Amino acid sequence: DAKTTQPNSMESNEEEPVHLPCNHSTISGTDYIHWYRQLPSQGPEYVIHGLTSNVNNRMASLAIAEDRKSSTLILHRATLRDAAVYYCIFGGGGSNYKLTFGKGTLLTVNP
Amino acid sequence: DAGVIQSPRHEVTEMGQEVTLRCKPISGHNSLFWYRQTMMRGLELLIYFNNNVPIDDSGMPEDRFSAKMPNASFSTLKIQPSEPRDSAVYFCASRPTGGTGNTIYFGEGSWLTVV
Repeated sequence: DAKTTQPNSMESNEEEPVHLPCNHSTISGTDYIHWYRQLPSQGPEYVIHGLTSNVNNRMASLAIAEDRKSSTLILHRATLRDAAVYYCIFGGGGSNYKLTFGKGTLLTVNP
Repeated sequence: DAGVIQSPRHEVTEMGQEVTLRCKPISGHNSLFWYRQTMMRGLELLIYFNNNVPIDDSGMPEDRFSAKMPNASFSTLKIQPSEPRDSAVYFCASRPTGGTGNTIYFGEGSWLTVV
Protein backbone atom coordinates (compact mmCIF):
# COMPACT_ATOMS: atom_id res chain seq x y z
CA ASP A 1 0.00 0.00 0.00
CA ALA A 2 1.14 3.52 -0.78
CA LYS A 3 2.21 5.19 2.48
CA THR A 4 2.30 8.87 3.30
CA THR A 5 3.27 10.63 6.51
CA GLN A 6 1.22 13.58 7.73
CA PRO A 7 0.89 15.33 11.09
CA ASN A 8 -2.10 14.01 13.02
CA SER A 9 -3.42 17.51 13.60
CA MET A 10 -2.73 21.17 12.90
CA GLU A 11 -4.29 24.39 14.04
CA SER A 12 -4.70 27.70 12.27
CA ASN A 13 -6.40 31.03 12.72
CA GLU A 14 -9.06 32.27 10.38
CA GLU A 15 -7.80 34.26 7.38
CA GLU A 16 -4.22 33.12 7.90
CA PRO A 17 -2.37 30.86 5.46
CA VAL A 18 -2.05 27.17 6.27
CA HIS A 19 0.72 24.88 5.08
CA LEU A 20 -0.10 21.19 5.39
CA PRO A 21 2.96 18.97 4.89
CA CYS A 22 3.15 15.45 3.56
CA ASN A 23 6.03 13.02 3.08
CA HIS A 24 5.79 10.36 0.40
CA SER A 25 9.30 9.01 0.07
CA THR A 26 8.26 5.81 -1.76
CA ILE A 27 6.47 7.58 -4.58
CA SER A 28 7.19 6.27 -8.08
CA GLY A 29 7.75 8.32 -11.20
CA THR A 30 4.24 7.83 -12.55
CA ASP A 31 2.37 8.39 -9.30
CA TYR A 32 0.37 11.58 -8.91
CA ILE A 33 0.14 13.38 -5.58
CA HIS A 34 -3.47 13.91 -4.57
CA TRP A 35 -5.03 15.88 -1.77
CA TYR A 36 -8.54 15.28 -0.56
CA ARG A 37 -10.38 16.66 2.40
CA GLN A 38 -13.29 15.36 4.40
CA LEU A 39 -15.62 17.71 6.19
CA PRO A 40 -17.65 16.34 9.11
CA SER A 41 -20.38 13.94 8.01
CA GLN A 42 -19.46 14.23 4.33
CA GLY A 43 -17.60 12.19 1.77
CA PRO A 44 -14.00 12.98 0.85
CA GLU A 45 -13.74 15.92 -1.49
CA TYR A 46 -11.08 16.37 -4.16
CA VAL A 47 -8.85 19.36 -3.49
CA ILE A 48 -5.93 19.25 -5.89
CA HIS A 49 -3.43 16.95 -7.54
CA GLY A 50 -0.13 17.21 -9.36
CA LEU A 51 2.73 15.23 -10.80
CA THR A 52 5.88 17.35 -10.79
CA SER A 53 5.10 21.03 -11.11
CA ASN A 54 3.40 23.19 -8.53
CA VAL A 55 -0.33 23.51 -9.10
CA ASN A 56 -2.91 26.14 -8.27
CA ASN A 57 -6.68 26.01 -8.32
CA ARG A 58 -9.51 27.92 -6.73
CA MET A 59 -9.30 25.89 -3.54
CA ALA A 60 -5.59 25.65 -2.85
CA SER A 61 -2.04 25.43 -4.10
CA LEU A 62 0.17 22.37 -4.18
CA ALA A 63 3.91 22.75 -3.81
CA ILE A 64 5.86 19.64 -4.81
CA ALA A 65 9.46 19.17 -3.78
CA GLU A 66 11.99 18.77 -6.57
CA ASP A 67 12.67 15.14 -5.59
CA ARG A 68 8.89 14.55 -5.27
CA LYS A 69 9.34 12.89 -1.88
CA SER A 70 7.29 15.54 -0.14
CA SER A 71 4.63 18.10 -0.87
CA THR A 72 2.75 20.88 0.85
CA LEU A 73 -0.88 21.85 0.50
CA ILE A 74 -1.32 25.58 0.90
CA LEU A 75 -4.60 27.18 1.87
CA HIS A 76 -3.95 30.86 1.30
CA ARG A 77 -6.58 32.20 3.69
CA ALA A 78 -8.14 29.66 6.01
CA THR A 79 -11.82 29.95 6.76
CA LEU A 80 -13.93 28.14 9.31
CA ARG A 81 -15.30 26.04 6.45
CA ASP A 82 -11.81 24.68 5.80
CA ALA A 83 -11.85 22.76 9.08
CA ALA A 84 -11.61 19.15 7.94
CA VAL A 85 -9.39 16.09 7.73
CA TYR A 86 -6.91 16.53 4.89
CA TYR A 87 -5.59 13.43 3.17
CA CYS A 88 -2.41 13.30 1.14
CA ILE A 89 -2.26 10.31 -1.20
CA PHE A 90 -0.08 9.20 -4.04
CA GLY A 91 -0.98 6.85 -6.81
CA GLY A 92 -3.42 6.84 -9.67
CA GLY A 93 -0.87 7.04 -12.40
CA GLY A 94 -1.17 4.76 -15.39
CA SER A 95 -2.64 1.44 -14.36
CA ASN A 96 -2.23 2.24 -10.66
CA TYR A 97 -5.86 3.09 -10.05
CA LYS A 98 -5.75 2.62 -6.29
CA LEU A 99 -5.78 5.65 -4.03
CA THR A 100 -4.98 4.39 -0.54
CA PHE A 101 -6.05 6.76 2.22
CA GLY A 102 -4.10 7.14 5.46
CA LYS A 103 -5.22 8.85 8.66
CA GLY A 104 -4.82 12.38 7.32
CA THR A 105 -4.34 15.67 9.19
CA LEU A 106 -7.17 17.12 11.22
CA LEU A 107 -7.13 20.87 10.61
CA THR A 108 -8.75 23.08 13.20
CA VAL A 109 -9.43 26.70 12.26
CA ASN A 110 -9.88 29.16 15.10
CA PRO A 111 -12.09 32.22 14.65
CA ASP B 1 -23.71 18.83 -12.19
CA ALA B 2 -25.11 15.97 -10.17
CA GLY B 3 -22.44 14.25 -8.16
CA VAL B 4 -22.25 10.62 -7.13
CA ILE B 5 -25.61 9.72 -5.65
CA GLN B 6 -25.92 7.14 -2.91
CA SER B 7 -28.93 5.65 -1.18
CA PRO B 8 -30.00 5.18 1.48
CA ARG B 9 -28.18 7.92 3.35
CA HIS B 10 -28.87 6.25 6.67
CA GLU B 11 -29.86 2.67 7.46
CA VAL B 12 -30.42 0.94 10.75
CA THR B 13 -30.99 -2.78 10.53
CA GLU B 14 -30.97 -5.82 12.74
CA MET B 15 -28.21 -8.38 12.72
CA GLY B 16 -28.88 -11.08 10.14
CA GLN B 17 -30.85 -8.87 7.78
CA GLU B 18 -29.83 -8.20 4.21
CA VAL B 19 -28.59 -4.71 3.41
CA THR B 20 -28.41 -3.24 -0.09
CA LEU B 21 -26.60 0.01 -0.73
CA ARG B 22 -27.02 1.77 -4.05
CA CYS B 23 -24.89 4.09 -6.10
CA LYS B 24 -25.34 6.16 -9.23
CA PRO B 25 -21.97 7.37 -10.54
CA ILE B 26 -21.41 10.64 -12.31
CA SER B 27 -22.55 10.37 -15.92
CA GLY B 28 -19.69 9.57 -18.25
CA HIS B 29 -17.43 8.16 -15.57
CA ASN B 30 -16.29 4.65 -16.43
CA SER B 31 -14.77 3.59 -13.11
CA LEU B 32 -16.55 3.02 -9.83
CA PHE B 33 -15.22 2.35 -6.35
CA TRP B 34 -16.79 1.24 -3.08
CA TYR B 35 -15.02 2.33 0.11
CA ARG B 36 -15.82 1.68 3.75
CA GLN B 37 -14.89 4.05 6.58
CA THR B 38 -14.66 3.24 10.28
CA MET B 39 -12.92 4.97 13.13
CA MET B 40 -10.60 2.02 13.63
CA ARG B 41 -9.58 1.31 10.05
CA GLY B 42 -10.16 4.60 8.27
CA LEU B 43 -11.08 4.53 4.56
CA GLU B 44 -10.68 1.12 2.97
CA LEU B 45 -11.16 0.27 -0.70
CA LEU B 46 -13.58 -2.65 -1.01
CA ILE B 47 -13.97 -3.11 -4.75
CA TYR B 48 -13.19 -1.38 -8.03
CA PHE B 49 -15.14 -1.64 -11.31
CA ASN B 50 -13.95 -0.49 -14.70
CA ASN B 51 -16.47 -0.36 -17.55
CA ASN B 52 -18.94 -2.26 -15.33
CA VAL B 53 -16.51 -5.15 -14.80
CA PRO B 54 -15.12 -5.90 -11.31
CA ILE B 55 -11.35 -5.51 -11.57
CA ASP B 56 -10.21 -5.79 -7.97
CA ASP B 57 -12.35 -7.13 -5.12
CA SER B 58 -9.46 -7.96 -2.80
CA GLY B 59 -10.76 -5.49 -0.23
CA MET B 60 -14.14 -7.18 0.17
CA PRO B 61 -14.01 -8.46 3.75
CA GLU B 62 -15.76 -11.80 3.28
CA ASP B 63 -18.35 -13.72 1.33
CA ARG B 64 -21.16 -11.91 3.06
CA PHE B 65 -20.28 -8.91 0.91
CA SER B 66 -21.07 -8.74 -2.80
CA ALA B 67 -21.13 -5.94 -5.35
CA LYS B 68 -22.63 -5.63 -8.80
CA MET B 69 -22.63 -3.10 -11.58
CA PRO B 70 -25.30 -4.12 -14.09
CA ASN B 71 -24.84 -0.97 -16.18
CA ALA B 72 -22.79 2.20 -16.35
CA SER B 73 -25.18 4.19 -14.21
CA PHE B 74 -25.88 1.88 -11.29
CA SER B 75 -24.08 -0.24 -8.73
CA THR B 76 -25.07 -2.09 -5.57
CA LEU B 77 -23.19 -3.30 -2.53
CA LYS B 78 -24.99 -6.04 -0.65
CA ILE B 79 -24.31 -7.46 2.78
CA GLN B 80 -26.06 -10.72 3.63
CA PRO B 81 -26.34 -11.50 6.48
CA SER B 82 -25.32 -8.27 8.16
CA GLU B 83 -23.40 -8.19 11.45
CA PRO B 84 -22.81 -5.41 13.99
CA ARG B 85 -19.16 -5.14 12.91
CA ASP B 86 -20.37 -4.07 9.47
CA SER B 87 -21.53 -0.78 10.96
CA ALA B 88 -19.66 1.90 9.04
CA VAL B 89 -20.02 4.59 6.42
CA TYR B 90 -19.94 3.17 2.92
CA PHE B 91 -18.82 5.51 0.17
CA CYS B 92 -19.21 5.10 -3.55
CA ALA B 93 -16.86 7.03 -5.83
CA SER B 94 -16.44 7.37 -9.57
CA ARG B 95 -13.65 8.44 -11.88
CA PRO B 96 -13.90 10.27 -15.15
CA THR B 97 -12.88 8.63 -18.37
CA GLY B 98 -9.48 9.89 -19.39
CA GLY B 99 -9.05 12.04 -16.30
CA THR B 100 -5.48 12.89 -15.40
CA GLY B 101 -4.04 11.24 -12.34
CA ASN B 102 -7.13 9.12 -11.78
CA THR B 103 -8.87 11.62 -9.53
CA ILE B 104 -12.03 10.17 -8.02
CA TYR B 105 -15.20 11.83 -6.83
CA PHE B 106 -17.06 10.59 -3.77
CA GLY B 107 -20.70 10.45 -2.85
CA GLU B 108 -22.06 11.56 0.50
CA GLY B 109 -21.99 8.05 1.90
CA SER B 110 -24.46 5.55 3.32
CA TRP B 111 -24.34 5.42 7.12
CA LEU B 112 -25.06 1.83 8.17
CA THR B 113 -25.80 0.73 11.71
CA VAL B 114 -26.35 -2.96 12.41
CA VAL B 115 -27.82 -3.66 15.84
